[in-house]
Amino acid sequence: ETGVTQTPRHLVMGMTNKKSLKCEQHLGHNAMYWYKQSAKKPLELMFVYNFKEQTENNSVPSRFSPECPNSSHLFLHLHTLQPEDSALYLCASSQTNIAKNIQYFGAGTRLSVL
Amino acid sequence: SQQGEEDPQALSIQEGENATMNCSYKTSINNLQWYRQNSGRGLVHLILIRSNEREKHSGRLRVTLDTSKKSSSLLITASRAADTASYFCATNSLTNTGNQFYFGTGTSLTVIP
Repeated sequence: ETGVTQTPRHLVMGMTNKKSLKCEQHLGHNAMYWYKQSAKKPLELMFVYNFKEQTENNSVPSRFSPECPNSSHLFLHLHTLQPEDSALYLCASSQTNIAKNIQYFGAGTRLSVL
Repeated sequence: SQQGEEDPQALSIQEGENATMNCSYKTSINNLQWYRQNSGRGLVHLILIRSNEREKHSGRLRVTLDTSKKSSSLLITASRAADTASYFCATNSLTNTGNQFYFGTGTSLTVIP
């Protein structure tokens, strides 16, 4: 148990569906991250939030929409996804103090887009 | 890309042997970290080495850092079947937009009992 919880663990959706991934951390961290991990590809950083403000968006398609209502919760809203969006989506949190910037990951949401 | 590159991509060894994985990166860093990922799970932090450190130990793990070559290595001694996982290096840098965190491509380690 890392202190970062992701739900759901598995999600199957059609290309016309709208769904949301949720991430919650109880570690007192002030930075949260969304990563995409596809088979045989490097971990891709999607979004970064520091103190609830989005500080990084790595050219992610608009069909992925993040939301960070407070420093403990992070959502990823999904709509009109493509089959190539099927992947493991990982949430992480950390302190922004660079000396303590160890990332704590959730177990991930395995997403399948049909 | 500023991501690190791990070498080798895959490694298979017998239980009891040592496993060495290498990581190269491109930018100046504040620290470098190694993470482990079991199949289909999240990453777990193993060890952090700061840019002014050259070597660090934690249990059976030994990490080295050569900032002049922009490279790091992770050595796992006396490997066990339970060490089977993917291992990632991650660089952490402080930029004018905040902390930048980049993961490498990973090394898949298989330890054969």
